[in-house]
Amino acid sequence: AQKITQTQPGMFVQEKEAVTLDCTYDTSDPSYGLFWYKQPSSGEMIFLIYQGSYDQQNATEGRYSLNFQKARKSANLVISASQLGDSAMYFCAFLDSGGYQKVTFGIGTKLQVIP
Amino acid sequence: NAGVTQTPKFRILKIGQSMTLQCTQDMNHNYMYWYRQDPGMGLKLIYYSVGAGITDKGEVPNGYNVSRSTTEDFPLRLELAAPSQTSVYFCASSDQGYTEAFFGQGTRLTVV
Repeated sequence: AQKITQTQPGMFVQEKEAVTLDCTYDTSDPSYGLFWYKQPSSGEMIFLIYQGSYDQQNATEGRYSLNFQKARKSANLVISASQLGDSAMYFCAFLDSGGYQKVTFGIGTKLQVIP
Repeated sequence: NAGVTQTPKFRILKIGQSMTLQCTQDMNHNYMYWYRQDPGMGLKLIYYSVGAGITDKGEVPNGYNVSRSTTEDFPLRLELAAPSQTSVYFCASSDQGYTEAFFGQGTRLTVV
């Protein structure tokens, strides 16, 4: 069953503006986690941020923050002050904490930053 | 720091051939994963392992096999290659499931 959904195939943002990338998930387990990864055109996968389901505060890492709304089952990535180097594919990933801890990915959102 | 090393980087296989994609990590991580990424798509989990001797299927395990005899190595075996297995394969490792995963550079496989 699909656990993680990214509904924005592509997004544009003006340089220095903020942008929100959407991610929703589906689970009945109380314990889980959510990741965001960035994949530039060069192909490598870069970890950005993690949010655990029991974390009281939204995760932040520099210009990246995760808008975690548990009741709505959403974990949107907010990038502030966009830079040209932010142009990339962005993947949301779901950590299934039950049993073996496997991580599954959404299909991604392509972000393009416009000068 | 080597991190996660995948070999080969590129490979062309003929239909019906077999091969093993190698993955080694030097961070003493318990968790290791194999994903495939089709063009313009996200990553699909093939197999994963939570420690030596323990593996489990992911979303798309058919046509693949894995083993985890050591903490460091997690090879992915393709038996009877098919064109549908043309993809970029990523190996990843993490200390725990809820910690950052480190990815290899990927193996670009073409089956013709």
